[in-house]
Amino acid sequence: SQQGEEDPQALSIQEGENATMNCSYKTSINNLQWYRQNSGRGLVHLILIRSNEREKHSGRLRVTLDTSKKSSSLLITASRAADTASYFCATTRSGTYKYIFGTGTRLKVLA
Amino acid sequence: EAEVAQSPRYKITEKSQAVAFWCDPISGHATLYWYRQILGQGPELLVQFQDESVVDDSQLPKDRFSAERLKGVDSTLKIQPAELGDSAMYLCASESGTSGRISGANVLTFGAGSRLTVL
Repeated sequence: SQQGEEDPQALSIQEGENATMNCSYKTSINNLQWYRQNSGRGLVHLILIRSNEREKHSGRLRVTLDTSKKSSSLLITASRAADTASYFCATTRSGTYKYIFGTGTRLKVLA
Repeated sequence: EAEVAQSPRYKITEKSQAVAFWCDPISGHATLYWYRQILGQGPELLVQFQDESVVDDSQLPKDRFSAERLKGVDSTLKIQPAELGDSAMYLCASESGTSGRISGANVLTFGAGSRLTVL
């Protein structure tokens, strides 16, 4: 079963624009992570935000977490063609050590 | 940079045949995961190892799937017999952490995956 759902399922933007994708989850969590997956490849970790944090930045990435709404958002600023990939959120539920992935957002950045 | 090694990268087999995937995690990583990813979906956990012990295999279809990590290092995932619905990407991931202690707060490092097509 999948804990999270990403929204939108697919997103197409022009290079230089910002991309925002959202993740909703169902249960209390320890932390939430975002991963990127290029076509036909494994996933690459982008950023981790703990349940007691509300916002985190890493380069062009900004992640927010709202535990009251059980949701997170990933913002990629000044997108590049190389950002074209699928993006997944992953959560670890409170009291467990299992990483549960969402359904993913397919981002396409047009040059 | 250390990588998680997986083989084969691609496997085509006929239904009812046996297939095996191999994973070599990053040296020293105590926790190893096998995920299955159907095209267009997110990865779903099949089995989690801590050292050589299975921590969670609740989603592993045990009538046809088996996994082992005998020496707590590399791991093998086997399917016998393969079915059409098993066509997917099989991803291995490892996580740093102290042997004997599950973390759950670290990042996962994934291999490139093994894509299985069952005809």
